[in-house]
Amino acid sequence: KNQVEQSPQSLIILEGKNCTLQCNYTVSPFSNLRWYKQDTGRGPVSLTIMTFSENTKSNGRYTATLDADTKQSSLHITASQLSDSASYICVVSESGYALNFGKGTSLLVTP
Amino acid sequence: DAGVIQSPRHEVTEMGQEVTLRCKPISGHNSLFWYRQTMMRGLELLIYFNNNVPIDDSGMPEDRFSAKMPNASFSTLKIQPSEPRDSAVYFCASSSQGFLNSPLHFGNGTRLTVT
Repeated sequence: KNQVEQSPQSLIILEGKNCTLQCNYTVSPFSNLRWYKQDTGRGPVSLTIMTFSENTKSNGRYTATLDADTKQSSLHITASQLSDSASYICVVSESGYALNFGKGTSLLVTP
Repeated sequence: DAGVIQSPRHEVTEMGQEVTLRCKPISGHNSLFWYRQTMMRGLELLIYFNNNVPIDDSGMPEDRFSAKMPNASFSTLKIQPSEPRDSAVYFCASSSQGFLNSPLHFGNGTRLTVT
C-alpha cells in the first residue's frame, strides 16, 4: 500500500491563477519531505526539502508547507505560468536512503 | 555541471535481447540510485550504491536484472533477457554525502520499449 497519497490526480488551471497540491503520508519514522517537479520526458527536479522542524519553505513561486502532526503537506504555486505544466511528486523519507514516492499530481496550465 | 547523464535516451528492443543502460553521476556524488517509473506504479527504487558498493538491491525485480558500478563515474543497469513487462522509463540519480537532507539529482532517463 502506497504510504504517500497525492491529490488531486490531475488539475487544469488558467495561466496567472494560483493552485495548491496536497500530499498525505503515513510513513513512519519521518525524516524529511520533498517536492519534485517532473517535466514531460525529463527527470524529476527538486523543489524543496523540509525536515520535521520546518513548517514552510519557499522556492520562488513555489511554497511548501508541512504539518508533521497531521502528516500532511501542500505545495502552493503562485501566479502560475505555462512552464509550470508538469507532474509534481511528493516524496517522504524514512531514514537513510529509503524514499517513499507519491504517484504525482499532473498540472496543466492553459493560456 | 552537466548533471547526471544517462544513455541511451530511448531503447527499443525485442523480447529476449540484452539491454544495457548507462549512467554517469555528478562528479563528487557518492550515492547512486537506479529507479524505474511506470504509470501504474510510479517511481520504484531498483538498487542503491554508496561509494561504488551496492547497499540495497532488494528492488531489483528478478535475476534478469543486474547493476554494476565499477568506478565513481559510471554505472550500468543490465536486463538479460528482456521482456515486454520491462518497458518503462529508467532513471539514474545521484546525491552527495549527507544524503538525508540533500536532493537527489536525476538524469533524464532511458525510455525502454520491449516488443
